[in-house]
Amino acid sequence: DTGVSQNPRHKITKRGQNVTFRCDPISEHNRLYWYRQTLGQGPEFLTYFQNEAQLEKSRLLSDRFSAERPKGSFSTLEIQRTEQGDSAMYLCASSFPPGVDEQFFGPGTRLTVL
Amino acid sequence: EDQVTQSPEALRLQEGESSSLNCSYTVSGLRGLFWYRQDPGKGPEFLFTLYSAGEEKEKERLKATLTKKESFLHITAPKPEDSATYLCAVQAGGNQGGKLIFGQGTELSVKP
Repeated sequence: DTGVSQNPRHKITKRGQNVTFRCDPISEHNRLYWYRQTLGQGPEFLTYFQNEAQLEKSRLLSDRFSAERPKGSFSTLEIQRTEQGDSAMYLCASSFPPGVDEQFFGPGTRLTVL
Repeated sequence: EDQVTQSPEALRLQEGESSSLNCSYTVSGLRGLFWYRQDPGKGPEFLFTLYSAGEEKEKERLKATLTKKESFLHITAPKPEDSATYLCAVQAGGNQGGKLIFGQGTELSVKP
């Protein structure tokens, strides 16, 4: 399978715990994006990388959120001290610009904070 | 502020009953408008990219069109397997980076 993969697919955690998600993009894609989606809403942009450089972060991304993309390959998104409001689907997408770039999404990680 | 609004929020059709979904947008310099399909519990699946007003693209029973202020996704003779949420997104020009700004989606249900 050459698509975007995300792990884990589901995560249930207690409030206050830290969680980490992983995204493996399509191999030749140098841009990687993280989005968050809540029920009944479209995805909301969180952050994106071009190779290993994090180029933009949304104001939605509080200090409890951190993302990395070492060596420009896979990426991790960590949420510290989770809150119930963090419960959502976390989506990863990748693309291969230049120009207007179609983003291809992974299956997502469903986070539930109890 | 860049914004995307989709209507209706939900649409119920009988199999074979053609219809259209609307996506209205305001963006500072459109680089591209994207349509995605999303099934429950899954990530969005790419359908189309439109770049400029007047452009049209087709795929099976779907046709997407673009004007300067809105896009339409026309569904001709839909089948139950077309049931899904359809998402519209825009990518802005300038120094906006590559992020997509999504609408809230239209949930389509096609009954046999």
